[in-house]
Amino acid sequence: ETGVTQTPRHLVMGMTNKKSLKCEQHLGHNAMYWYKQSAKKPLELMFVYNFKEQTENNSVPSRFSPECPNSSHLFLHLHTLQPEDSALYLCASSQEGSGGDTQYFGPGTRLTVL
Amino acid sequence: AQSVTQLGSHVSVSEGALVLLRCNYSSSVPPYLFWYVQYPNQGLQLLLKYTSAATLVKGINGFEAEFKKSETSFHLTKPSAHMSDAAEYFCAVSVFSGNTGKLIFGQGTTLQVKP
Repeated sequence: ETGVTQTPRHLVMGMTNKKSLKCEQHLGHNAMYWYKQSAKKPLELMFVYNFKEQTENNSVPSRFSPECPNSSHLFLHLHTLQPEDSALYLCASSQEGSGGDTQYFGPGTRLTVL
Repeated sequence: AQSVTQLGSHVSVSEGALVLLRCNYSSSVPPYLFWYVQYPNQGLQLLLKYTSAATLVKGINGFEAEFKKSETSFHLTKPSAHMSDAAEYFCAVSVFSGNTGKLIFGQGTTLQVKP
C-alpha cells in the first residue's frame, strides 16, 4: 500500500450503531487530520494529531471520537450519529503539521446515516 | 482571520479552451497557498503549491497559478482544457496557530469540459 488509505470506503449505519473509520498513512508523516466533506459546504477540519497528540478539535460533537495510537494510524469512532452526519470523511497526513506542510489525502469514506 | 473565496461554483469550457479558476485569499501574513483537485469518488490530490519562492507556480497536468499580492489572488489556469480535467478544484490557504498547521479551503469550483 502507498500513500494514505482509508477503510471502509462506504459505510451505512443506523443512528444507534457504533462503527469506526480507519486511516493509515505509509508516508512516514507525523501529523494526521480528519475532514468532513458535505455537499455544498467547504471541507471542514475536524481533528488534528501531531506526533500522536491531539492539537485541534474544531468544536466537533462528542458523538465523533478520534483515536491516534501511533503516527501511522488514525481512527474515527462513531456512535449515535444523526442523518446530517452523512458525508464523505477524508483523512490526510503531512510531514510535520506546520503551516506550510502539504497534506496528502486518502480516498475517503462515504458515510450514510439512516 | 485567513479565508479563501473561489469565484464561481461551476465553470464550463470547451475542450481545447483556456481554463481559468479564480481564487482570492485573505491572510494577515505571507501565505502558503494550494490548489487541489478532486475526481469523483476520490480524495484530494495536490495540483500545486505556492511557497513564496516564485510568483508563477507550475503544477501537474499542465496547470499553473500566479500569486498576485496586490490583488490577493491565486488563480489557476491551463492553456488548453482536456476532457480528463473535469473535476472539482479547491483553493486553500495554510494557517498556523499554536503548534498546529491547518488548511482553510474555499467552496470549490466544479469544472465541466464539453467536447
